[in-house]
Amino acid sequence: DAGITQSPRHKVTETGTPVTLRCHQTENHRYMYWYRQDPGHGLRLIHYSYGVKDTDKGEVSDGYSVSRSKTEDFLLTLESATSSQTSVYFCAISTETNEKLFFGSGTQLSVL
Amino acid sequence: ELKVEQNPLFLSMQEGKNYTIYCNYSTTSDRLYWYRQDPGKSLESLFVLLSNGAVKQEGRLMASLDTKARLSTLHITAAVHDLSATYFCAVARTWGGSNYKLTFGKGTLLTVNP
Repeated sequence: DAGITQSPRHKVTETGTPVTLRCHQTENHRYMYWYRQDPGHGLRLIHYSYGVKDTDKGEVSDGYSVSRSKTEDFLLTLESATSSQTSVYFCAISTETNEKLFFGSGTQLSVL
Repeated sequence: ELKVEQNPLFLSMQEGKNYTIYCNYSTTSDRLYWYRQDPGKSLESLFVLLSNGAVKQEGRLMASLDTKARLSTLHITAAVHDLSATYFCAVARTWGGSNYKLTFGKGTLLTVNP
């Protein structure tokens, strides 16, 4: 693995509650990403970061926010979880040259 | 908006046979990735294709890129059961200078039967 840890690995929560997923890297890479994976949709980009406190929206950002206060940590927050946010969430990091995008192990989130 | 289409989405093969997975995309890009995902696991990088005409091979898998046709192929030679997985292509677009954002296809679920 490329030094990426996602936590938690599994979470069950109720509609309307806030949820934060954490992505931690030990590679000191500048670029970090959050994707969600749903059957029939492949992976879709939620938010990405190109440095500390530098973030931007991806294609499915509604209902999500992110923060990056340190190079190694990229947090994804669902302010008020909905059932449509039940998904597998993957964090990814990339090298400066983007030769490769490395993925974390994923977080299975269920919103009941 | 960049669209990436893979076909087929489901592929059932017999061991020893050959087959090709296709990845078409809608706008100009000079970088394409192939990933493998086993059930319940993360994505594993297979190939990065960086230019028109690029061809890369690893074992029984060979990937190619035709940027003019906006097409990449993943060819499987003499399939074995261990190749059963879901395969994704992802097309890159530049942003912020040297970095890229990836748009993924929906994936091809490959099942290799004895």
